[in-house]
Amino acid sequence: NAGVTQTPKFQVLKTGQSMTLQCAQDMNHEYMSWYRQDPGMGLRLIHYSVGAGITDQGEVPNGYNVSRSTTEDFPLRLLSAAPSQTSVYFCASSYSQSSSGNTIYFGEGSWLTVV
Amino acid sequence: AQSVTQLGSHVSVSEGALVLLRCNYSSSVPPYLFWYVQYPNQGLQLLLKYTSAATLVKGINGFEAEFKKSETSFHLTKPSAHMSDAAEYFCAVTGSSASKIIFGSGTRLSIRP
Repeated sequence: NAGVTQTPKFQVLKTGQSMTLQCAQDMNHEYMSWYRQDPGMGLRLIHYSVGAGITDQGEVPNGYNVSRSTTEDFPLRLLSAAPSQTSVYFCASSYSQSSSGNTIYFGEGSWLTVV
Repeated sequence: AQSVTQLGSHVSVSEGALVLLRCNYSSSVPPYLFWYVQYPNQGLQLLLKYTSAATLVKGINGFEAEFKKSETSFHLTKPSAHMSDAAEYFCAVTGSSASKIIFGSGTRLSIRP
């Protein structure tokens, strides 16, 4: 029962480098999202997707791209890493986008440091 | 628009004492409310959620929360703290859709022996 799987767990990048954080879920969830967690700021939504081929911006989308070619996968791309993107990133999924209080399931996080 | 405020970034209680973590929300529509727990170096997992059924919601590990519309609150309680409860706790409210779930800034719970 894998749930939401994120890779890598830890990554150090140099300023200006690009990379992709991978996220996969095996629960056939329609909705997937990426959050970043910073001290004292809770979780902030970066991008989300309500189904394959559909993505939209959250609260803090600048500097990040996403795509959703399959139901299972939702990679997050950092185009040109900056020190301000040093954070812990969480991928999450839920059954649907509806406002019926669907539980959101989280991956275990990816710790990214940009130097 | 929805928002959530967690009062107290850090709460410390003695083992066996009452745990009370405070959460107040703002919502222009009937809210769905959640409490999530995050153990060190792990993702978030659901403790409990309120979805307009019973106002007193029981969750895992002995936690419960009461939805009080008049006070716009959804405080989390546990009668007797255990060392294993040490973690960070997040209150969250849904926005216009589940994709806009809004998280509070978190409360770190420490347990004193």
